[in-house]
Amino acid sequence: QLQLQQWGAGLLKPSETLSLTCAMSGGSFSGYYWTWIRQSPGKGLEWIGEITRTGNTNYNPSLKSRVTISIYTSKNQFSLNLRSVTAADTAVYYCARGVGSTGRYWFDSWGQGTLVTVSS
Amino acid sequence: EIVLTQSPATLSLSPGERATLSCRASQSVSSYLAWYQQKPGQAPRLLIYDASNRATGIPDRFSGSGSGTDFTLTISSLEPEDFAFYYCQQRSNWPPITFGQGTRLEIK
Repeated sequence: QLQLQQWGAGLLKPSETLSLTCAMSGGSFSGYYWTWIRQSPGKGLEWIGEITRTGNTNYNPSLKSRVTISIYTSKNQFSLNLRSVTAADTAVYYCARGVGSTGRYWFDSWGQGTLVTVSS
Repeated sequence: EIVLTQSPATLSLSPGERATLSCRASQSVSSYLAWYQQKPGQAPRLLIYDASNRATGIPDRFSGSGSGTDFTLTISSLEPEDFAFYYCQQRSNWPPITFGQGTRLEIK
């Protein structure tokens, strides 16, 4: 049974960098898309981006200039860095596993979520 | 970017009743739509993928239908644990992957 366990700082000041890590256990990195999604009251669920085992990434165009997703296969972990945060980045952040390809695609496993608050 | 519009925003029903939730896409997504359930304080849970396939462990009272731009999630007879938020999601035209804004299913 795949499990995703995530962690990271929950309180940031404006202009700082958000850093979260997700550890995968009970499965394989191969053949899936390792994804970050966030949820805020104002914008609902928002896809941030994804990475494959080989390091190929895709990002939401609205966040692309500030986002880096990395993968560490030897540690079974992947991470999210979001630079220059503002209050608008306050949200619950989830890691998830994406299954499928191109059009047919879904998220079958999710981390527990991390509330990140940006406040001065 | 494909916009997914869910309706109604809130649905008030009683246990035992049938629930019908809608998701409309701004352009065709073929049959490539997924549905999720989310309860307060929890991560979303996959219910349906490819518009009509139930995910592992999902009760058969949940069913999905539709193709193109119009999709429906039906719960045939509501159980108390079904009252939650429901979201649809697509990846046919990406980036970005998009979600609907959600339907809140509440107890009447």
